[in-house]
Amino acid sequence: IQLTQSPSSLSASVGDRVTITCRASQDISSYLAWYQQKPGKAPKLLIYGAFTLQSGVPSRFSGSGSGTEFTLTINSLQPEDFATYYCQQLNKYEFTFGPGTKVDIK
Amino acid sequence: EVQLVESGGGLVKPGGSLRLSCASSGFTFNRFSMSWVRQAPGKGLEWLSSISSSSNFIYDADSVKGRFAISRDNAQNSLYLQMNSLRVEDTAVYYCARGLNSGSYYMDYWGQGIQVTVSS
Repeated sequence: IQLTQSPSSLSASVGDRVTITCRASQDISSYLAWYQQKPGKAPKLLIYGAFTLQSGVPSRFSGSGSGTEFTLTINSLQPEDFATYYCQQLNKYEFTFGPGTKVDIK
Repeated sequence: EVQLVESGGGLVKPGGSLRLSCASSGFTFNRFSMSWVRQAPGKGLEWLSSISSSSNFIYDADSVKGRFAISRDNAQNSLYLQMNSLRVEDTAVYYCARGLNSGSYYMDYWGQGIQVTVSS
């Protein structure tokens, strides 16, 4: 199963609403996670099961979608949100990551 | 506090082998699935392998099948990745990660990563 993410990068300002899309090459139901990674750091789980917010993750992060199209939305972007975001599918037993979306400061 | 600490990385020649270890603490290791993920320099994340809590189920990426082998020792609270026939393109930071629970492979805690460099 292949995952694509769009855009590959974006520039945004603090306070903006940001939406990242992840598309799967076949139906993965809701078996999708979103991770945030900052330079030199390990990834951090944000969302699993397509829309379930991981404990401790701010509520400005939300996930939606099912099947082949998913979105990660960040409402009111904060300075600490500038990072790279990856989706990952866990439907079939090869748990591929998407190529990533880099969010930087406009 | 959940902690995962990788070790065993370093410089190895093409065709060589390495065994990575991931020592865990702060949680009941035998109740959680575990995984290995790597990241080549300047590249994205690549899932490598996952193992269920009791080692009954193992899932590997096609890119490492037959060369890498994941295992765990629940008595030692440790996860391993045996890497054989290493290639230059295996150069990356390798992370171990914990699954949300015994039956889930969503990765909620990660180690700090360990560098593996394959070069002659």
